[in-house]
Amino acid sequence: SYEVTQPPSVSVSPGQTARITCSGDTLPKQYAYWYQQKPGQAPLLLVYKDTERPSGIPERFSGSSSGTTVTLTISGVQAEDEADYYCQSADSSGSYVLFGGGTKLTVL
Amino acid sequence: QVQLVQSGAEVKKPGASVKVSCKASGYTLTSYAMHWVRQAPGQRLEWMGWINGGNGNTKYSQKFQGRVTITRDTSASTAYMELSSLKSEDTAVYYCARGAATTSLAFDIWGQGTMVTVSS
Repeated sequence: SYEVTQPPSVSVSPGQTARITCSGDTLPKQYAYWYQQKPGQAPLLLVYKDTERPSGIPERFSGSSSGTTVTLTISGVQAEDEADYYCQSADSSGSYVLFGGGTKLTVL
Repeated sequence: QVQLVQSGAEVKKPGASVKVSCKASGYTLTSYAMHWVRQAPGQRLEWMGWINGGNGNTKYSQKFQGRVTITRDTSASTAYMELSSLKSEDTAVYYCARGAATTSLAFDIWGQGTMVTVSS
């Protein structure tokens, strides 16, 4: 079965750059999507189609892709960015959705 | 204002079924896909399935195949997710999420979530 894998946790100091990776064999063929989830809230779409940002999402959130790995980069991390981040993609047919295990971002 | 409003919390006994509703407003239900995602306490997001906005076709995660049914009532602008043969492991927050116009696999609008507790 297909899966996408994320590191369980990432820690950065305020103002630094955080990079959260997501790896999976389907990623060269299927787009990746990134979500931010804060406690008690529904997820928020941050990046779609690997690199696109929905309107209203700050420019400090960006996505990139290289082979079987996609990366969410948060530049100039702020305390409010502390949250869980989920990578999402699909299987090779594009019909079945996969979520990564989530990465907890801690702002030191 | 585009939003999804879900039905309230449910408490069910093992073996029962639950049906969660998701009312769409601010857009036409049939113009977008609708996905269902759940999250057990402290756990990852887990995709359950989706219904195609245009033709109403459904696809389900293999994990839930045979237990989950996603339907919609276009006249009521409401989507539904029914999960049967409930087990304690089904205790989770259940979300509906709209597939975006640019790609139905991007979930751009989410409901507030419905807590389903399965307990004897």
